[in-house]
Amino acid sequence: LAKTTQPISMDSYEGQEVNITCSHNNIATNDYITWYQQFPSQGPRFIIQGYKTKVTNEVASLFIPADRKSSTLSLPRVSLSDTAVYYCLVGDKGLNSGGYQKVTFGIGTKLQVIP
Amino acid sequence: NAGVTQTPKFQVLKTGQSMTLQCAQDMNHNSMYWYRQDPGMGLRLIYYSASEGTTDKGEVPNGYNVSRLNKREFSLRLESAAPSQTSVYFCASSTRGGDTEAFFGQGTRLTVV
Repeated sequence: LAKTTQPISMDSYEGQEVNITCSHNNIATNDYITWYQQFPSQGPRFIIQGYKTKVTNEVASLFIPADRKSSTLSLPRVSLSDTAVYYCLVGDKGLNSGGYQKVTFGIGTKLQVIP
Repeated sequence: NAGVTQTPKFQVLKTGQSMTLQCAQDMNHNSMYWYRQDPGMGLRLIYYSASEGTTDKGEVPNGYNVSRLNKREFSLRLESAAPSQTSVYFCASSTRGGDTEAFFGQGTRLTVV
């Protein structure tokens, strides 16, 4: 899997839009970009995945520039309940690696939402 | 729909004791994983099973063994627990090996004294 780099921590006030950027300079042609959210004392939860341009769901938006060397997770109008660790992963979803590619996580970005 | 179920949720062991962490998924997924999470270390892959009948080492396999009992169940065994194995353990599953859309259990908090 391509190595990813993201900020260790971020603070934001309630009601603000939060953007977390992940760098993945060595992303491969077949790789997708995936983000997870982890609340304290819970397992990580998949929130969004994309290949290029923009993906939006009920939780977040994912922006991917044309060169795909970075991606930005955007959380609109955060609340205290969005305080969590957010992980960025890059991989081919097992579609081209024979199903034996390891899914690895980094340290993630700890987002603290302030009242 | 239970998803991924781990047992137990909490466990305290004495150094040298053995135990097995159980994991079961009901999503008919082919691949399953065991991770450990320590403060400031993120999630680290211990072992994974790309499909029933196969297992392979992850980043930190020493001191652990696994068994893919069937398609649903993937267990993690500590033969002789050490304080360094104090951690939170997560089991996960995905449709196929390498699929970055994985589903996680709630975790097992293990303390070795």
